[in-house]
This record gives sequence, C-alpha cells and structure tokens, in this order.
Amino acid sequence: DSGVTQTPKHLITATGQRVTLRCSPRSGDLSVYWYQQSLDQGLQFLIQYYNGEERAKGNILERFSAQQFPDLHSELNLSSLELGDSALYFCASSSSGTQYFGPGTRLTVT
Amino acid sequence: SQELEQSPQSLIVQEGKNLTINCTSSKTLYGLYWYKQKYGEGLIFLMMLQKGGEEKSHEKITAKLDEKKQQSSLHITASQPSHAGIYLCGAASGGSNYKLTFGKGTLLTVNP
Repeated sequence: DSGVTQTPKHLITATGQRVTLRCSPRSGDLSVYWYQQSLDQGLQFLIQYYNGEERAKGNILERFSAQQFPDLHSELNLSSLELGDSALYFCASSSSGTQYFGPGTRLTVT
Repeated sequence: SQELEQSPQSLIVQEGKNLTINCTSSKTLYGLYWYKQKYGEGLIFLMMLQKGGEEKSHEKITAKLDEKKQQSSLHITASQPSHAGIYLCGAASGGSNYKLTFGKGTLLTVNP
C-alpha cells in the first residue's frame, strides 16, 4: 500500500459527459501528479501540483483540468469525454523526489 | 522531449533464471526510477538511481545507472513467479518539476 488513495476505482460514462477523479496524497506529501495510461500511449504525465499551485504541465488536453485543495487532495476533471479518453488515470504524490502511485481509476467511455 | 526505450518489450523465463531489462534515454538522465506494475494496477516503486555508476539492490533485484550511455539496467537474480509483471523505467526531466517520462514497459513472465 503506497498510502495514496484514489476514488472511484472504476467509472463508466457516456461520450460528452464530465467526470471528476479524486486523489488523496500520502500524509505530508505536498506534490501531486496526474498520469494517464492507455495501451497505445503508455503512461503519460498530465499535470503536477505543489502545495495548491500548478507546477508543471504535460500532455494534458484543454478538456481536462485539475486542482489541488488546501487539504492537499487533488481532483482531475475530464469533460466532453470521448471514446479515446478511456484509460487508467493514476495520481502520485511525493515529498522528496520519489513518486508513490495510487491504485488508479479505470475510466471507460461508451 | 525525452524518450525512454525499454528492451526487451517482453520476456519469458523459467523460474530460477537470471534476467536483465534495459532502459535507454534519448537525453541526459537526471534521475532514473524503476517501477513494477501488475496488469491494471498501480505502480510499485522499486528503486531510484541518481548518480552515474550508482547501483542499488532490493532483495533479488539490482539496478545500475550508466550516465555516459544514458542507460539503466535492471537485473533479477534467480527469478520467481512473484517477479512477474510489467517493469517500467521513468526518467526525471531535470530542474525542479520532477515530471516523469516513462518507457513503454517490459512484460515479464516467469514460468514455474
């Protein structure tokens, strides 16, 4: 158990819909990272937050947004969903460089 | 952007055999991470290497970093079925943001 929690574990929704994925980092970790894993693209970095502020952006679509709250939990919002957004979404947290990953949320868009 | 190439893509070994997985970067490595993933599950942190020539071991898994070759290798000694899974290498982008770029992964199957 990495200490990082993610909810929900599975999510099935229709195209055009909007969903919110939630991540609670390990106790004391200020950084939260979001990744997307799909069969064709592999594991791709989306975005990083540090103590509530956006720190780095990767291959994140404009339809996607994230935030980190004062209690350090983070949410990833995915809107206008497309079939190609079906993937595993991971969050990770760190305090000293090493990133510890949560169990992921499997999103299926039908 | 940095790219990581892992080889082999997949590997089937008999229990008890040794094996090596390689990870080669297209750019300078500032930090190299190895993770293990069971299919559809989260990534489990194995090791982090930061300095050229650094070598770390955890149980029967050893990882080395060759800074000049921009390459890292992961070696498993006397493999067991519990070693089966997908091994992913990830590289830090340098600077202060620590975003990781990952290789495509190596699928390891260990037959009893």
